[in-house]
Amino acid sequence: DAGVTQSPTHLIKTRGQQVTLRCSPKSGHDTVSWYQQALGQGPQFIFQYYEEEERQRGNFPDRFSGHQFPNYSSELNVNALLLGDSALYLCASSLLPGPGEFFGPGTRLTVL
Amino acid sequence: SQQGEEDPQALSIQEGENATMNCSYKTSINNLQWYRQNSGRGLVHLILIRSNEREKHSGRLRVTLDTSKKSSSLLITASRAADTASYFCATDALGEYGNKLVFGAGTILRVKS
Repeated sequence: DAGVTQSPTHLIKTRGQQVTLRCSPKSGHDTVSWYQQALGQGPQFIFQYYEEEERQRGNFPDRFSGHQFPNYSSELNVNALLLGDSALYLCASSLLPGPGEFFGPGTRLTVL
Repeated sequence: SQQGEEDPQALSIQEGENATMNCSYKTSINNLQWYRQNSGRGLVHLILIRSNEREKHSGRLRVTLDTSKKSSSLLITASRAADTASYFCATDALGEYGNKLVFGAGTILRVKS
């Protein structure tokens, strides 16, 4: 049973560019959440998708957007990249309404 | 802003010793979870304790929860070099929809062999 998978593993972009990160949830899970983890910090909640809709959002600007597909996989898009967007982006899946999120290995984004 | 705070920020112990990490949070919760992270990679789920539970065990792990003090502790017994990692507590707020987790800044544990 595959766990949560994310792609790509690493990504280097320049300021002002746009990036798309991808996530496939653990088999049987229907909810995907995205987190940003800056170096030396704990993860911060970006948003959560359930039934192809954004259900909750953290304190992130509109430059961060997402999408969930009918097969429950998800994308995170970030526009107009800033240096401060450099971080590890983590995807987590769960089966609502139960607790217990399973995290993927993350995508390391570096903005130059 | 992050709700949880882990204490200590860093901990260095010898192999075989016990390691205790503490977590405090600010609002009422449904559940509290502990995660491990190796070298800035993905988070590995260690244990979940519900707000109506006081103590939970899983192998060498023991977690306690004191909702009156809004605090939790993670004890790792008989530590191994492989336990070297960052440890995070995460809470999901009571009454909120879904599993939005709020993390602390983590405790960096180093186990010396």
